[in-house]
Amino acid sequence: EAEVAQSPRYKITEKSQAVAFWCDPISGHATLYWYRQILGQGPELLVQFQDESVVDDSQLPKDRFSAERLKGVDSTLKIQPAELGDSAMYLCASSFPLGGGVGETQYFGPGTRLLVL
Amino acid sequence: LAKTTQPISMDSYEGQEVNITCSHNNIATNDYITWYQQFPSQGPRFIIQGYKTKVTNEVASLFIPADRKSSTLSLPRVSLSDTAVYYCLVGGLSGGYNKLIFGAGTRLAVHP
Repeated sequence: EAEVAQSPRYKITEKSQAVAFWCDPISGHATLYWYRQILGQGPELLVQFQDESVVDDSQLPKDRFSAERLKGVDSTLKIQPAELGDSAMYLCASSFPLGGGVGETQYFGPGTRLLVL
Repeated sequence: LAKTTQPISMDSYEGQEVNITCSHNNIATNDYITWYQQFPSQGPRFIIQGYKTKVTNEVASLFIPADRKSSTLSLPRVSLSDTAVYYCLVGGLSGGYNKLIFGAGTRLAVHP
């Protein structure tokens, strides 16, 4: 069964450093999502891509977070500089069909757990 | 987007049927209801999705009344491995693209 791949699985960094997370969605999935999940809470959507275009980044802290999906396939989420409050699980998800739609199912990767010291 | 309300936690025992109810009073006409399961240190996993009436798959059933203002996820004969957080989501097109909002979920603990 096809899966969403994420790396690294774990990342420890010091505050003010830069970190980057990578996601490879299921082949053929045009929509890609990045979520942040703080311990004990549900996932919070940070950014949503349709192919290479951002369609929703309203919850992305743009002063320090950036996301790209240059070729409409894999994606990178970057934090610079990292802050203590960024410690969380960062989840990537993808879905089909093209353009989104009612009843669409999101498939999640295993996540990257970030600890900022 | 419709907001959902579900119990914070539930306890059950192995072999019992578990029903988790979710309220979504402001559900829109084109919204679907989707349930996800999440184990610690893993991403959420799709369980079941429905629009109205009843949907059943190999792991769960989803009951949706005619007014669609609530839904119930039913897990038959739970085992210890069903201990997880269960999220109820209501979503549809928002600005032309699918958007889902996760709440805090229901923490289900299954005991021996």
